[in-house]
Amino acid sequence: DTAVSQTPKYLVTQMGNDKSIKCEQNLGHDTMYWYKQDSKKFLKIMFSYNNKELIINETVPNRFSPKSPDKAHLNLHINSLELGDSAVYFCASSQDMTEAFFGQGTRLTVV
Amino acid sequence: KNEVEQSPQNLTAQEGEFITINCSYSVGISALHWLQQHPGGGIVSLFMLSSGKKKHGRLIATINIQEKHSSLHITASHPRDSAVYICAVGEGNKLVFGAGTILRVKS
Repeated sequence: DTAVSQTPKYLVTQMGNDKSIKCEQNLGHDTMYWYKQDSKKFLKIMFSYNNKELIINETVPNRFSPKSPDKAHLNLHINSLELGDSAVYFCASSQDMTEAFFGQGTRLTVV
Repeated sequence: KNEVEQSPQNLTAQEGEFITINCSYSVGISALHWLQQHPGGGIVSLFMLSSGKKKHGRLIATINIQEKHSSLHITASHPRDSAVYICAVGEGNKLVFGAGTILRVKS
């Protein structure tokens, strides 16, 4: 059973489109995250949700909007995609800031 | 300057060698994490530690809270250890990452 699963694994889309990435965790964790990994492999937090409430929003453009329908799901919607949004996006979860479990990543390519 | 600094950035070793990757941080932390990312992209948590030392198989992680420094050691390295090793510190409700160390172990 996959602990943190995100879909799709690959996403190729044109500039200006709107797309979503879904994430689900079956670990019963209270906290979920979205991280962005740039072309230099550097990871940086975008958002953190605890029990469906936003607790971290790290200067991410308004075009990115996370949605957490319940504490097991944290989806990422991106509007008006730009070339610079191309990256690998990782979902993760943890309980009380203990060990983090990561999804397999979504490679987004904007053309 | 990044809050979490790793060294070296790149490391090539021969199979069987003892490997050390270092991590220094400048912020107050709740815990320090070592992560492994293989080609193909998945990230796996290796260790989470807030003091002392942990060992798992051929991997050993140590942390010195006073010196704000951690090391990840790999004994008897093997080509399958080739990956990116990432140090991350827990700061409040988030992880802050180092830039990663690209390790290549040659047979």
